[in-house]
Amino acid sequence: AQKVTQAQTEISVVEKEDVTLDCVYETRDTTYYLFWYKQPPSGELVFLIRRNSFDEQNEISGRYSWNFQKSTSSFNFTITASQVVDSAVYFCALTEGDRKLVFGTGTRLLVSP
Amino acid sequence: DAMVIQNPRYQVTQFGKPVTLSCSQTLNHNVMYWYQQKSSQAPKLLFHYYDKDFNNEADTPDNFQSRRPNTSFCFLDIRSPGLGDAAMYLCATSTATGGYEQYFGPGTRLTVT
Repeated sequence: AQKVTQAQTEISVVEKEDVTLDCVYETRDTTYYLFWYKQPPSGELVFLIRRNSFDEQNEISGRYSWNFQKSTSSFNFTITASQVVDSAVYFCALTEGDRKLVFGTGTRLLVSP
Repeated sequence: DAMVIQNPRYQVTQFGKPVTLSCSQTLNHNVMYWYQQKSSQAPKLLFHYYDKDFNNEADTPDNFQSRRPNTSFCFLDIRSPGLGDAAMYLCATSTATGGYEQYFGPGTRLTVT
């Protein structure tokens, strides 16, 4: 069965600090997809990234970077030089093959000025 | 430029009074999903349509129904809302199921009095 664990319930940082959000997953399939979504206070989930199980390349997009390590079943998300606008709940999610998307419980990030 | 639109954004209904939430999309995606999200929890999939094929989650109560009259529109009907149905309802779309990213609407916050 697929499972996603986000052990950090809430993280508070001061603007310009770097912050890493952890995501650990469980799956028995060799083909799976991992996602990160951002949910700002407005409520809409915003897609950030998708990674398939055969692509372990790390990715950087502006201040965002993702570290995918199959050896530790982790897909961590780092925000460099955090800003107040980064304050949101971040969800890591997993889908196996054609099955439904399973979300972690989310990490609430609070960035203060 | 809105891609997934949900109306209304806020809905108040009385206990037991049927209510319909609406979702439309301009992405021409094949799949439309309905999620329920309660406070501080991850979204929970209720059901989805792949084209005209309806796929219900095993644990979705019979009180929840859905209709998809055409590609662009999908409705969530709650036949007899209870206090426990108060939540944010999120509509999402994707090209196909499985490893495709989902695009979410802003959600409808349902209050049951």
